[in-house]
Amino acid sequence: AQTVTQSQPEMSVQEAETVTLSCTYDTSESDYYLFWYKQPPSRQMILVIRQEAYKQQNATENRFSVNFQKAAKSFSLKISDSQLGDAAMYFCAYRRGGGSEKLVFGKGTKLTVNP
Amino acid sequence: GAVVSQHPSRVICKSGTSVKIECRSLDFQATTMFWYRQFPKQSLMLMATSNEGSKATYEQGVEKDKFLINHASLTLSTLTVTSAHPEDSSFYICSAKIPRTANTEAFFGQGTRLTVV
Repeated sequence: AQTVTQSQPEMSVQEAETVTLSCTYDTSESDYYLFWYKQPPSRQMILVIRQEAYKQQNATENRFSVNFQKAAKSFSLKISDSQLGDAAMYFCAYRRGGGSEKLVFGKGTKLTVNP
Repeated sequence: GAVVSQHPSRVICKSGTSVKIECRSLDFQATTMFWYRQFPKQSLMLMATSNEGSKATYEQGVEKDKFLINHASLTLSTLTVTSAHPEDSSFYICSAKIPRTANTEAFFGQGTRLTVV
């Protein structure tokens, strides 16, 4: 079974600084997708960024970028120029390819942004 | 992006009663929806996969008789917590994905906080 591990229960960053959240996963599949979701206090899950495993180029979305190391099964999220609104729980998630739609989530990292 | 609406957002019920939670895809047809449960300060755990027109697929350890899922139309899935007990108190979230597209994103409802007293 696939597993997703987030080893940092909590992280903090100063406003305008950069922070990296770690995520590793375990799978024997070659076709899969990886995601980072943000869950603010409202509890609404918001997609931050996605990465297709077949793509070698790391995904970027404005201030958010990933470091996808397929051989190491690592998928870290870098948040640049951190803003107060970035404070939330961040979940790393895995989805197998080939039509499967189930998401497997890590335990989450609580990010605090200090002014 | 696509919109998934979940209702109610909060519900308090008495122990022994049943509670129904609705999950609707507002601007797309969802042949498959997913129901997750989230305990305080914990991750989302998949409970079951809801399939339109057929039986739901439950994850190991989830009681199908307690958590009844009905997906009667392409835009609506319901989760009924039967004979609720305080230990069923939790945050329940549904999600759906636009089928047969290259869009890999899962769209989530706003979640339902269930409190059983």
